[in-house]
Amino acid sequence: RKEVEQDPGPFNVPEGATVAFNCTYSNSASQSFFWYRQDCRKEPKLLMSVYSSGNEDGRFTAQLNRASQYISLLIRDSKLSDSATYLCVVNSVDSSYKLIFGSGTRLLVRP
Amino acid sequence: DADVTQTPRNRITKTGKRIMLECSQTKGHDRMYWYRQDPGLGLRLIYYSFDVKDINKGEISDGYSVSRQAQAKFSLSLESAIPNQTALYFCATSDLTASVSTDTQYFGPGTRLTVL
Repeated sequence: RKEVEQDPGPFNVPEGATVAFNCTYSNSASQSFFWYRQDCRKEPKLLMSVYSSGNEDGRFTAQLNRASQYISLLIRDSKLSDSATYLCVVNSVDSSYKLIFGSGTRLLVRP
Repeated sequence: DADVTQTPRNRITKTGKRIMLECSQTKGHDRMYWYRQDPGLGLRLIYYSFDVKDINKGEISDGYSVSRQAQAKFSLSLESAIPNQTALYFCATSDLTASVSTDTQYFGPGTRLTVL
């Protein structure tokens, strides 16, 4: 079983739609959770950290469910510029400053 | 100027050749990482270094070696390249003073390596 699993997609949605991605992680001892965004052939960039209480940044909302070991990302009012691959990331339990990346969920926002 | 740079950006080489990929950063970060990315597999950690005297193997270090020449420089070498090392390679840095929950890794633009 992969340590971090994501639906690869693609999720194909119209502009203005709300879309949600989930991600599951295998190690209950993981402490830190993140969503990174990666544009085609570009480097990953941090989108947002995910906190236990949930957090919001503009149109983006991240949630953590420790009991079920999943993380979610909700994007409201999708823009064309949101088209990218979204990487779910958790820290490694053998070294907190190592990150384990999911293989990503691809989002396509169409006009 | 970019904070994390990688050279070369693209490289085509032949099986058996020795290749060095270089990473430099101006962010002043102590932690540096090398990853490779393959379609459908996501990013996998090759080596990481938490300071100049610290080198650690990641999950896929076989066939690779690294050198941390200075705080700002971290090089990845393929001693004898093979075709299944064809991938996109990323260098990343993070700040030693960041807490676990807010630790952000900053990535270079990547090196696309093809081994024929």
